Amino acid sequence: EDKVVQSPLSLVVHEGDTVTLNCSYEVTNFRSLLWYKQEKKAPTFLFMLTSSGIEKKSGRLSSILDKKELFSILNITATQTGDSAIYLCAVARGSTLGRLYFGRGTQLTVWP
Amino acid sequence: DVKVTQSSRYLVKRTGEKVFLECVQDMDHENMFWYRQDPGLGLRLIYFSYDVKMKEKGDIPEGYSVSREKKERFSLILESASTNQTSMYLCASSSPGSSGANVLTFGAGSRLTVL
Repeated sequence: EDKVVQSPLSLVVHEGDTVTLNCSYEVTNFRSLLWYKQEKKAPTFLFMLTSSGIEKKSGRLSSILDKKELFSILNITATQTGDSAIYLCAVARGSTLGRLYFGRGTQLTVWP
Repeated sequence: DVKVTQSSRYLVKRTGEKVFLECVQDMDHENMFWYRQDPGLGLRLIYFSYDVKMKEKGDIPEGYSVSREKKERFSLILESASTNQTSMYLCASSSPGSSGANVLTFGAGSRLTVL
């Protein structure tokens, strides 16, 4: 059975802290790994990773994939209250018409 | 701005009622998906469609059906709502071709409560 496991499931930090969110996976025919951010409404796309060792960056967020060890991390530096959200990790397999397999998400709360 | 629009943000229905959740996308996407999201369980795929009139079961299709009569519209139907279908329902779409198929664009969600 395919699995996507995120840890921790919840995390509370103070503004300015740096956080690392983890996502491990066991899927057949891996194609790509995606990160989404979900505040009160629709999940919004952050990154898609297909190759090991290539860091993707967007402002204070960055992510990297390790296809040998089957995991990805999402880093957020200098956290702000606006980073409070559920962070979703999802994996795509080849030839599955675009469907994604999601982890349970990490609920991040950033206190001022 | 491209969008996936779900017709109802909040619905309250009674056990046994038939429920329609509508989703419309304006991006000319071929693929459309219905997920449900429950605390602690993440997003679970109910049904998806890769073309008009085509549908595929996801991981939890029991108690649900779908309809895709037009490319832009994907409807989720609960034939006889039950309390265990109380949940947040998320619609999404994507377009195939290189890596585009895997980048889903989500609607804002429909929170359904079944009493």
